[in-house]
Amino acid sequence: SQELEQSPQSLIVQEGKNLTINCTSSKTLYGLYWYKQKYGEGLIFLMMLQKGGEEKSHEKITAKLDEKKQQSSLHITASQPSHAGIYLCGADPGNQFYFGTGTSLTVIP
Amino acid sequence: NAGVTQTPKFQVLKTGQSMTLQCAQDMNHNSMYWYRQDPGMGLRLIYYSASEGTTDKGEVPNGYNVSRLNKREFSLRLESAAPSQTSVYFCASSDRDGYTFGSGTRLTVV
Repeated sequence: SQELEQSPQSLIVQEGKNLTINCTSSKTLYGLYWYKQKYGEGLIFLMMLQKGGEEKSHEKITAKLDEKKQQSSLHITASQPSHAGIYLCGADPGNQFYFGTGTSLTVIP
Repeated sequence: NAGVTQTPKFQVLKTGQSMTLQCAQDMNHNSMYWYRQDPGMGLRLIYYSASEGTTDKGEVPNGYNVSRLNKREFSLRLESAAPSQTSVYFCASSDRDGYTFGSGTRLTVV
């Protein structure tokens, strides 16, 4: 099975600060998903990275995939309270989906 | 709206009671999944169904059973609930373009 380790496990930042969340895989990554979950809500798809070196951005969130390092990073620029929640990375090496351990983000106004 | 619908959203059970969590998708996806989410452990796969008529165990299947009733519906059953099954349960479906998740069921077993 594939293991996805996220770091940090939790993060508290002041509004306006930048932050980075990492997702490291125990096996080669052929693609990686990033999701966000807010309390009481379902998972929200953020973006999917399919190729090594690929970088995608959506609003103030940027994600990169480093296949050699078997790692992906999620960077939030100028964080806002609306960014608070749990961020999950996920991978699908075959017909089964694996999720990371999760990172809880708190943004203090 | 198209998507994955889970019911109920909240449930409290007594130890030993049984219940079924319902999941339905209207996107004509072949694959469906049941996950549980626990603090600090991320999401863990309970069972999945690659296509109608097939089901397979995931990472944490003990204490659960599933039924792929048809292409749209995939239910999860707890025959005798235990406090260790207190968790948030997510149903998902997928096709080549990615995954869609339900909004979750918060289950508490007392």
